[in-house]
Amino acid sequence: ETGVTQSPTHLIKTRGQQVTLRCSSQSGHNTVSWYQQALGQGPQFIFQYYREEENGRGNFPPRFSGLQFPNYSSELNVNALELDDSALYLCASSFQGDEQFFGPGTRLTVL
Amino acid sequence: AQSVSQHNHHVILSEAASLELGCNYSYGGTVNLFWYVQYPGQHLQLLLKYFSGDPLVKGIKGFEAEFIKSKFSFNLRKPSVQWSDTAEYFCAARSLGTTDSWGKLQFGAGTQVVVTP
Repeated sequence: ETGVTQSPTHLIKTRGQQVTLRCSSQSGHNTVSWYQQALGQGPQFIFQYYREEENGRGNFPPRFSGLQFPNYSSELNVNALELDDSALYLCASSFQGDEQFFGPGTRLTVL
Repeated sequence: AQSVSQHNHHVILSEAASLELGCNYSYGGTVNLFWYVQYPGQHLQLLLKYFSGDPLVKGIKGFEAEFIKSKFSFNLRKPSVQWSDTAEYFCAARSLGTTDSWGKLQFGAGTQVVVTP
């Protein structure tokens, strides 16, 4: 059984640029959630995707968007990057309301 | 507003000491509760979860947690820690209800635990 994987591991961007982060769900999982973890803080919920639609969103602006594909993999897109977007971005998958399994994260640095 | 608070940001203790990490949540209605652990260089892993039933929950690696509804608490305990328990521990909660709550975990700020030999 393959766990949750994320790519890339690390990414450096400049302010104003756009970034796409990718996540492959664990086998059998149909729900994907994305979290932002700033240094020294707990993860903050960004949004959840189920059946290829956004289904639940945290307190993040619209420049944070995503996709879920038929194979349940997912992307997180962030437009107009700001310095405060520097963080570890975590993807978690689950089968509907069961427990979530987290990936290793993508470390984004915005200069 | 829904929130999860962890009492300590840093805890240092010696091997064989007992560990208790506090967690309080502020949620209306039915809630699911979780403890996750993040070992150095590794991703978040589930230690244990409470959905319903027996309020004393046993997890992996000798950890347990007690759900006390009247106190809105879900404290994590381990009777005797090992050096390998050095990690960051996160308490998390989510409300039950519609499908949009499935993945919406609210995390505490985390507690960094250092176990010295």
